[in-house]
Amino acid sequence: TQLLEQSPQFLSIQEGENLTVYCNSSSVFSSLQWYRQEPGEGPVLLVTVVTGGEVKKLKRLTFQFGDARKDSSLHITAAQPGDTGLYLCAGARGYGNKLVFGAGTILRVKS
Amino acid sequence: GAGVSQSPSNKVTEKGKDVELRCDPISGHTALYWYRQSLGQGLEFLIYFQGNSAPDKSGLPSDRFSAERTGGSVSTLTIQRTQQEDSAVYLCASSPDGGGSYEQYFGPGTRLTVT
Repeated sequence: TQLLEQSPQFLSIQEGENLTVYCNSSSVFSSLQWYRQEPGEGPVLLVTVVTGGEVKKLKRLTFQFGDARKDSSLHITAAQPGDTGLYLCAGARGYGNKLVFGAGTILRVKS
Repeated sequence: GAGVSQSPSNKVTEKGKDVELRCDPISGHTALYWYRQSLGQGLEFLIYFQGNSAPDKSGLPSDRFSAERTGGSVSTLTIQRTQQEDSAVYLCASSPDGGGSYEQYFGPGTRLTVT
């Protein structure tokens, strides 16, 4: 059983469409991070959210941290082929803020 | 500036052999983490170093796995008597500090294949 449930696992959409990826848990996290990973590379940090209810925007990407700091969402507006990749949510908890990762969402944006 | 670097990028080894994987964190980062990424398990925490404190080894899957960090910088992850289930991508991440700073920056990983 994943501590962080991420959905959907796979998403294939047309360029210009909007999408949302969800990350849910029954546990509270001190922060939640979103990463994007390309094949053969390590995850690249997109954003960190710390405060319950926090919303951060990064160009066409909007990240939200739930009020109770147990869940988060990533919304992409007008997806582009360059957005294709593996998106990972990760919650920080415990000594050293070790990360617990969701299973990931493979996004494919077709032109 | 330079990011986290890892070597080798790929390692193929025979079952039963020992392997060493190296991580060079971002200069000045006091916290260093090792994670493992495999198809069945996703990304999972292995071990955490913070400055000169004793490492948090709570994620190591067996006593065949060990890691050290010399001089508060470079880290080496050693897997003894490798098994096929050890095949995975081993990722290293560093952070300015493990407590106050939440951002972790990952290296490109070492893909380990045990035949």
